[in-house]
Order: sequence, then structure tokens, then C-alpha cells
Amino acid sequence: AQTVTQSQPEMSVQEAETVTLSCTYDTSENNYYLFWYKQPPSRQMILVIRQEAYKQQNATENRFSVNFQKAAKSFSLKISDSQLGDTAMYFCAFFISNFGNEKLTFGTGTRLTIIP
Amino acid sequence: NAGVTQTPKFRVLKTGQSMTLLCAQDMNHEYMYWYRQDPGMGLRLIHYSVGEGTTAKGEVPDGYNVSRLKKQNFLLGLESAAPSQTSVYFCASSPETGYWNQPQHFGDGTRLSIL
Repeated sequence: AQTVTQSQPEMSVQEAETVTLSCTYDTSENNYYLFWYKQPPSRQMILVIRQEAYKQQNATENRFSVNFQKAAKSFSLKISDSQLGDTAMYFCAFFISNFGNEKLTFGTGTRLTIIP
Repeated sequence: NAGVTQTPKFRVLKTGQSMTLLCAQDMNHEYMYWYRQDPGMGLRLIHYSVGEGTTAKGEVPDGYNVSRLKKQNFLLGLESAAPSQTSVYFCASSPETGYWNQPQHFGDGTRLSIL
């Protein structure tokens, strides 16, 4: 079974600073996908960034980037130049696709607050 | 751009009552999912569907039933609501799986309280 662990329940950072959210996972599979989702107070889940396990290059989306360490099973999210709109819950998620057994497993989330 | 629409957004039920949550997507997605989100926990998969007429159990299926009679709709039913089912329910959809760009599109959630 796959597990996803986010060890930081809450974090806060000053606006314009850089913050890193940690995520570790456990799996015996070799091919899988990793995601970071953002859930603002509106509750809607928004995809922030995604990473394919076989790709060594870290994914980047504007101010968001990941540090993917496959051997260590670590998938951290770095937010640069943080903005007030980044305040939200952030969930790390792991996806594996076995035919007829697709599943997206979420971590428990990190509540990030950007301080003006 | 409706995306994924959940109905209702909020509901209060008494123990033992039944209800159906509706999820509709207009993106012609094959896959649809129902999750529940409880305080201090990540989303947990209840049931999912890989296409019209199909359903499959997720991580926490007990006490729920689902149906996918039309490709665009995925219904979640509670036959006899229990207080343990108080939660926020999210529906999601995605294109045919197997591709790496597999983001799931989420609805806004339904807050359900069972008294």
C-alpha cells in the first residue's frame, strides 16, 4: 500500500520570502506520479505542479518548483516570492495506475499562511 | 467553463435519512471519483468510475453507493446516514488514465452534516 506523509501541519512565512513544504512517500512501485494540490478557503482543489517518477528533472511552474529525490522518496514543494494568495492548505498526492486499480493517495496537508 | 459541478453545496441530515449527492462534469472525462475530507486528514477515495456504467470501490466505500448511468454524471448515495459520515465530499474527474498529465479536476465540495 502507498502512503504519503506531510510532517508539517502548519507553516507561516513573510510575504515575498521562499518556503519549502516537505512530503515523503512510501511505495514499492517504480512508475508513479506525484502532485501538489492547493486548497484555498474556497475549498476547491487546485493542481499546482506534477512530477513523473521516471523523469529526473525537477518540475517547475512559475514560482513553484519541486525537489524530487526518488531514492529518498521525497517530493518537496518550494514556493518562491510568496504571495498572499498562496495562503492555503497544500496536499501532496501520489498516483499509481495499475489497470483497474487507479488510486490517488493524499497526505494530511500543510496549512500555509503568508504574512503581509 | 463549468468544469465539475457538485449539488448540493451544503446539507444537514438526521441519522437514518438517505440522500444523493450529484456530480456533473462537462469535459467529457472518462474517470470520475468521490472523495471525503475529514479534519486533519487528506482526501480519501470512496468510489470511482472508469467509464459510463462502471463503478469500483476505493479506500472507504462502506455505507456509500454510487452510479454512473451517464458519462457526465456520477452519483453518490447514502442509504442510511450515520454521524460518522459527516464530512466534506469532493467529486473529481480526469481524462482517460495512463497518461502522465493526469490532473484531476475537482468540484467545490459538499459539506454534509449528520445529526
